[in-house]
Amino acid sequence: GQNIDQPTEMTATEGAIVQINCTYQTSGFNGLFWYQQHAGEAPTFLSYNVLDGLEEKGRFSSFLSRSKGYSYLLLKELQMKDSASYLCAVREVGTGRRALTFGSGTRLQVQP
Amino acid sequence: ETGVTQSPTHLIKTRGQQVTLRCSSQSGHNTVSWYQQALGQGPQFIFQYYREEENGRGNFPPRFSGLQFPNYSSELNVNALELDDSALYLCASSTGQGLTDTQYFGPGTRLTVL
Repeated sequence: GQNIDQPTEMTATEGAIVQINCTYQTSGFNGLFWYQQHAGEAPTFLSYNVLDGLEEKGRFSSFLSRSKGYSYLLLKELQMKDSASYLCAVREVGTGRRALTFGSGTRLQVQP
Repeated sequence: ETGVTQSPTHLIKTRGQQVTLRCSSQSGHNTVSWYQQALGQGPQFIFQYYREEENGRGNFPPRFSGLQFPNYSSELNVNALELDDSALYLCASSTGQGLTDTQYFGPGTRLTVL
């Protein structure tokens, strides 16, 4: 089974940088995903890590350390529209199954 | 937009009733996964279909069942509805192959059970 932990809420200021952490425990790691979810909407894919290191995509970066069971999502130059929940999800190795296990999400509030 | 569609958008049912939710996958995707998302929580995996076969199931009772059709669209059926079934039901489609296989979500169906 899997256990995924991320902070419940964070607050940051417009224009600043924020880091959202995620720790996980899994019996067979096969990838970590970050999704953004605005209130009342579906999750939208942000980034994916399967190897250790940093993946950069514009204002968003995601880091993975498999040995530590740790990832973070880094958001730069925060904008008001970045106020949303950020979901960390892990895919587990398993015959025929490619489901994701999600954390409860981190609700980010960007203030002016 | 992801190209994944779901219907209906909203639904209100009463306890004990049955409901069918529908999902059309993105073009080129043959895998559909269904998730239940309660308010304030992350999505919980219900089951997944790959080429019309169930390909994994989460910790949900048998009254949650599904189908996938030859065009890879899918249905989620829930029998004997309970109040706790009130949630956002999300489907996600993917290719089902490769390390970089990514699930793309539809807009969801908001189910309210009274």
